[in-house]
Amino acid sequence: DAGVIQSPRHEVTEMGQEVTLRCKPISGHNSLFWYRQTMMRGLELLIYFNNNVPIDDSGMPEDRFSAKMPNASFSTLKIQPSEPRDSAVYFCASRLAGRFNEQYFGPGTRLTVT
Amino acid sequence: QQPVQSPQAVILREGEDAVINCSSSKALYSVHWYRQKHGEAPVFLMILLKGGEQKGHEKISASFNEKKQQSSLYLTASQLSYSGTYFCGTEYPGNTPLVFGKGTRLSVIA
Repeated sequence: DAGVIQSPRHEVTEMGQEVTLRCKPISGHNSLFWYRQTMMRGLELLIYFNNNVPIDDSGMPEDRFSAKMPNASFSTLKIQPSEPRDSAVYFCASRLAGRFNEQYFGPGTRLTVT
Repeated sequence: QQPVQSPQAVILREGEDAVINCSSSKALYSVHWYRQKHGEAPVFLMILLKGGEQKGHEKISASFNEKKQQSSLYLTASQLSYSGTYFCGTEYPGNTPLVFGKGTRLSVIA
């Protein structure tokens, strides 16, 4: 299996620009999670989906952040407009929903907003 | 609700042992352990599903004390490759997502 796939791996953009991060979960997994990791705040859960439906987006920091999952094999996290404080590593993870199942992380997207 | 990990950081010489603890203030369904190397994604190590369960992964093992609401990760005869940040992820009743601790940074030196 290819594992969780994220793109791009690195993104450098200017403040005010729109940024779109992409994720392809592991085939057969029906839960998808978006995390943000910084030195100060650690690993934060932003939003998660079950069966393509957003379940909890309480971790999304502001209205500038939005996420979609149009089908079982694709999700996006969009930041519009981006700000320097959004600079972080964004991870996508997937899992087969259920108590006994493992969760796997993608390689992450390192976002730098100048 | 975030589990508390201890210690925050530890430095070991090759061959030494270490214990990393993960405690929750709420009853747990399961505990998941991950290791993250610098610049990489967290990598799944093991999952513990019920009280008293112990598992092993190479020379890394873990236990889960359901009553005490805590889990411990044991690293024996540490190797340089064990260096990284170890996270526990706790799962609670109600089909909620994993909640991760702040991590324990482990450095193994020659």
